Amino acid sequence: DVKVTQSSRYLVKRTGEKVFLECVQDMDHENMFWYRQDPGLGLRLIYFSYDVKMKEKGDIPEGYSVSREKKERFSLILESASTNQTSMYLCASRRVLSSYNSPLHFGNGTRLTVT
Amino acid sequence: AQSVTQPDIHITVSEGASLELRCNYSYGATPYLFWYVQSPGQGLQLLLKYFSGDTLVQGIKGFEAEFKRSQSSFNLRKPSVHWSDAAEYFCAVGAEAAGNKLTFGGGTRVLVKP
Repeated sequence: DVKVTQSSRYLVKRTGEKVFLECVQDMDHENMFWYRQDPGLGLRLIYFSYDVKMKEKGDIPEGYSVSREKKERFSLILESASTNQTSMYLCASRRVLSSYNSPLHFGNGTRLTVT
Repeated sequence: AQSVTQPDIHITVSEGASLELRCNYSYGATPYLFWYVQSPGQGLQLLLKYFSGDTLVQGIKGFEAEFKRSQSSFNLRKPSVHWSDAAEYFCAVGAEAAGNKLTFGGGTRVLVKP
């Protein structure tokens, strides 16, 4: 079974802090994604990565950056956290066989509160 | 750009009753369509997907969905709801021309009454 692990379930950070959210998958998936989930807005794509050292902006990349130095790990970075980044963050991965056919596998999420 | 609308934010249904969740998408070409479920405190789990072929798709947990191109819809149904079906449900659309991105709807939260 695919396992996508997010390092923290809950985080509380102060405004202006640099925040790292870590995600690890154990199935050698090429694609990895970071979404944020807010009530009524569903999931919105922040960044995704086709493969190691590759990254693409999603729909709401402002205020975020990412790092993918190893295939299994995809990090989301908030350079200077702000209160409007308080949200649930979900990581997902997908194998590229025929990428549009492959379902996303999600982690359990990290609930970030910025005070 | 592709978009997904789930018109119902909340639905309350009695245990044993039928359930239908609506999903409308906007995309010019043939979409790939998905339904995911999120139980409290969990990530999202794939219920079913449609790419081509038979427009009635069977999924896990007794769910099915029907793709209707003429209505740009992909509604999710279950004939008899169980208390464990209380969760949030998300419809998502992807397409080859849109690259690797999925676009999600806003979600529908289902409450199950005993």
